[in-house]
Amino acid sequence: EVQVLESGGGLVQPGGSLRLSCAASGFTFSMHAMTWVRQAPGRGLEWVSGITASGGGTYYADSVKGRFTISRDNSKNTVYLQMNSLRVEDTAVYYCAKDSWSSVTYFDYWGQGTLVTVSS
Amino acid sequence: EIVLTQSPATLSLSPGDRATLSCRASQSVSSYLAWYQQKPGQAPRLLIYDVSNRATDIPARFSGSGSGTDFTLTISSLAPEDFAVYYCHQRSDWPMTFGQGTRLEIK
Repeated sequence: EVQVLESGGGLVQPGGSLRLSCAASGFTFSMHAMTWVRQAPGRGLEWVSGITASGGGTYYADSVKGRFTISRDNSKNTVYLQMNSLRVEDTAVYYCAKDSWSSVTYFDYWGQGTLVTVSS
Repeated sequence: EIVLTQSPATLSLSPGDRATLSCRASQSVSSYLAWYQQKPGQAPRLLIYDVSNRATDIPARFSGSGSGTDFTLTISSLAPEDFAVYYCHQRSDWPMTFGQGTRLEIK
């Protein structure tokens, strides 16, 4: 059974940093791209960042480029999202999702999300 | 970036009705369009990818069509569990984008 489990969310002040983790199981992790998608309270989905299966390709939304960094450790079946210079508008539930293929395409399994709140 | 505009914002129908949801792209996305369903308090679920391919375990009442800039998700006969929010998503160009969603509610 495919499982995706996010962790690391919490309350952080504006300008602060947070690192999200996403542990995956039930599939060959090193063969699939992974993605982060967020959803602000009461709002729609926003794609944040994606990483190819090998980790050689990383992609970002304009709203987070230069502040967020995605990475993965295929030996630990885990993908990370390092979030720096956080803003109030980054407040959202952050979902980690498994991609159908090795490149960033479509997201066939999702975690339940981890809440990030940026507030003073 | 490519903007996806979904219509209507809210669709009120009854179980057994046919639902037609629209997604229009600000420029061509070729066939690189997907649809997701999200129920309250749950993560999204992939329904359709590459315009018309059903994802694993998705019932045949869900179908997708379109090309270029205009796409449609059709639910042929609504089941009670189909009332949810639906999002389209494009992977044609970076950054990837989602539409703002269509809420399908019980009439």
